[in-house]
Parts: sequence; structure tokens; C-alpha cells
Amino acid sequence: TQLLEQSPQFLSIQEGENLTVYCNSSSVFSSLQWYRQEPGEGPVLLVTVVTGGEVKKLKRLTFQFGDARKDSSLHITAAQPGDTGLYLCAGAKGGKLIFGQGTELSVKP
Amino acid sequence: DVKVTQSSRYLVKRTGEKVFLECVQDMDHENMFWYRQDPGLGLRLIYFSYDVKMKEKGDIPEGYSVSREKKERFSLILESASTNQTSMYLCASSEGSFGYSNQPQHFGDGTRLSIL
Repeated sequence: TQLLEQSPQFLSIQEGENLTVYCNSSSVFSSLQWYRQEPGEGPVLLVTVVTGGEVKKLKRLTFQFGDARKDSSLHITAAQPGDTGLYLCAGAKGGKLIFGQGTELSVKP
Repeated sequence: DVKVTQSSRYLVKRTGEKVFLECVQDMDHENMFWYRQDPGLGLRLIYFSYDVKMKEKGDIPEGYSVSREKKERFSLILESASTNQTSMYLCASSEGSFGYSNQPQHFGDGTRLSIL
């Protein structure tokens, strides 16, 4: 049973479109992290959200942590080909990170 | 610049062999982790360590063991490799005391292991 459900698993869009990736759980996490992984490399941290209801912006990326700290979303505005990659959410619980399945994003020029 | 280095990018081994995957970090981090990554399953935690000579089982420890003799080095051992252990293996490290998992994890570039 996957503790963190991430959706969609695959997303293929045109440059300039907007998109949202969701990360949902029935468990409460002390924080939630978003990572991006490019082919042949390890995941790299994008952001950590800690407080319920928190919103963080990173240029065209907006991250939100649910009020109950059980879910999160990543919204990308005006996607660019450079945004292509695997996006992973990870919830912090009991000294460990629990990862979602990942969202494979492809942005075509 | 922080660095987590995994000894091999690609490795091909035979069923039944004992396989060693090595990971070194240069950030003086207390915590180190081994994951395997499979399509559609995300990252699954195999073992982690929060101090030298300490180890904790993750979610899928069966068939694996680990060793942490020095703070900077964390080794993953496949005791008798099987084909279902063919996967991408990722090592990570983080700072902070055990039980505090809000710190970011820094990953190596992975070892793609094939068991024939």
C-alpha cells in the first residue's frame, strides 16, 4: 500500500501550458518535500513545506501544503522544456522520508 | 559544493553473487540512506543509518545488509543477488539527529544494477 499517492503519473504538455501535480495521503506528515530528478542523476530538493496551509513560490513553481498536513500540490505556470523531469513528493515521518510514485513530466517545445 | 558519490554508475552481476555498492559523502552528515527506485513505485527505503555502526531497517530490507564503519561511508550489500534485485539504487545523506526528518536529503547519481 502506497502511503503517498501522487498523480498524475505521466504528463505530456506543450510549452506555455499550466499544470498541477498532486500528492495525497491519509497520514499526517511533519513536513513535505518536493524533489526533481533528471535522467542519469539523483533527485534534487526543490522545496520543503512545514506548516499546514503554507504556500511557497519558486519562480514559476508554486507549492502548497494542505491545512491538515496530509496533502500537497505543485503548480507550474507557463511550463518550459527545461521543466521536463521526474517530480517526487516525499513526506517526513518518524525519521524517514516516504516517497510518492513520481510524476514524469514532458514539456514539448 | 556538497557531494554524495556512488562508486559505480552501472554494474552487471550474476545470480548468487555477493554484491557491494559503496557510497561516500563529504558533508559530515549524520544520516545516510539506501533506496531502490523502480518505475511506478517511486523510491523505497532499504536501510538507513543515523550514526557510525548504527543501522535501521527500512521498508524493504529483505535480501540486503549494510555497513557503516566510518561516518562518511555507507555500504549496501546484496548477500546473494537475485534477478528481482535488478534496479536503480540511490544513496542519500542528511544532517540532523535521528527522528528529525525535515532536513533535505542529498542524493548520489545512482547505480543501475543488473542481475543476470
